[in-house]
Amino acid sequence: LAKTTQPISMDSYEGQEVNITCSHNNIATNDYITWYQQFPSQGPRFIIQGYKTKVTNEVASLFIPADRKSSTLSLPRVSLSDTAVYYCLDTNAGKSTFGDGTTLTVKP
Amino acid sequence: ETGVTQSPTHLIKTRGQQVTLRCSSQSGHNTVSWYQQALGQGPQFIFQYYREEENGRGNFPPRFSGLQFPNYSSELNVNALELDDSALYLCASSLAGVLSDTQYFGPGTRLTVL
Repeated sequence: LAKTTQPISMDSYEGQEVNITCSHNNIATNDYITWYQQFPSQGPRFIIQGYKTKVTNEVASLFIPADRKSSTLSLPRVSLSDTAVYYCLDTNAGKSTFGDGTTLTVKP
Repeated sequence: ETGVTQSPTHLIKTRGQQVTLRCSSQSGHNTVSWYQQALGQGPQFIFQYYREEENGRGNFPPRFSGLQFPNYSSELNVNALELDDSALYLCASSLAGVLSDTQYFGPGTRLTVL
């Protein structure tokens, strides 16, 4: 499975919408795009997953263009507790390759 | 529905020793994967078990081995511990047979090798 590319860090303020974009340059036809959130010394927590177009759940939205070479995780109205590392992955049959993630820091 | 659990939470070993880490899968899941996460890095895939057999392996030496039991719980064994083995070890369970199967992670075991 290929490793994805995403910004190392991002800063935001409480109440803002945050968009984190990821490059999936080597995504395979059968791969899904999955995003995880991780707090220090905890296991990654599943946020959202999609194959193409737009997916929305109670915590985030995921936008995937037709060529699937990128994805954008959108977090509406972030709070201080959203400060964490966010990983985007190409996933297939339960196998994933993690990159180094994006450290999101939410400031008051 | 129970989540993924791991034991122990923390462990301290000395170089050259052997360690066994344990994982209980989420209810209904039949596949377990193990990851090593060094400080400041993303999790690195060690291997995956499905139906009690290894089903894929990352770039880790043979001294990293595993088992999956009929109840889908799993063990990670590491022999001849090295200082660089100090890390957070994560297991994740999923349901095989579905391309979109989502992995659910446990809280991890923090291993320190002195």
